[in-house]
Amino acid sequence: DQQVKQNSPSLSVQEGRISILNCDYTNSMFDYFLWYKKYPAEGPTFLISISSIKDKNEDGRFTVFLNKSAKHLSLHIVPSQPGDSAVYFCAASNTGKLIFGQGTTLQVKP
Amino acid sequence: DAGITQSPRYKITETGRQVTLMCHQTWSHSYMFWYRQDLGHGLRLIYYSAAADITDKGEVPDGYVVSRSKTENFPLTLESATRSQTSVYFCASTPGTGGDTQYFGPGTRLTVL
Repeated sequence: DQQVKQNSPSLSVQEGRISILNCDYTNSMFDYFLWYKKYPAEGPTFLISISSIKDKNEDGRFTVFLNKSAKHLSLHIVPSQPGDSAVYFCAASNTGKLIFGQGTTLQVKP
Repeated sequence: DAGITQSPRYKITETGRQVTLMCHQTWSHSYMFWYRQDLGHGLRLIYYSAAADITDKGEVPDGYVVSRSKTENFPLTLESATRSQTSVYFCASTPGTGGDTQYFGPGTRLTVL
């Protein structure tokens, strides 16, 4: 039973355009959501997070939106850059333990 | 340098052998975690520790053993390795709970033949 799902295994966008990565969850008890970015042969690195009491959090080119009624969150990257090409994991927290989605591979083409 | 390190980075072993993966962090974070990453599954929690001498099971603990005698170290042992344990293993740490960001090590790629 996958509590956190990223239904798109891959996404390809043109440099300068918007990248939108999606994530769905099933457990309404999750109180904190995070996005991690992972390059090959490296560990995941924290990108941005959002508390369940908010619906939007922005950090530079990255914005995370949370729709609690739909149990859906998304990560927007504007504008996308070739260096953003990586695997992106969403994660949800309940009592401090993280549940990760399967990941979405983003390719940003020059 | 401060941070979280894992050793070895790459390991090849045979079925039935015991293998220990090491994790060391210099931040004095209370919480430490072990995950495995497999295609189609993302990262799954194996074990975690809230402090020295306190450990608990995660989502996929079978076949693994952990210990935490010191705050900075959190070794993961595969007592009798199986091919299904071929994976990339990540260690992480965080100062507390309640959604605190976890900081990951570089990973250990383990192959069980």
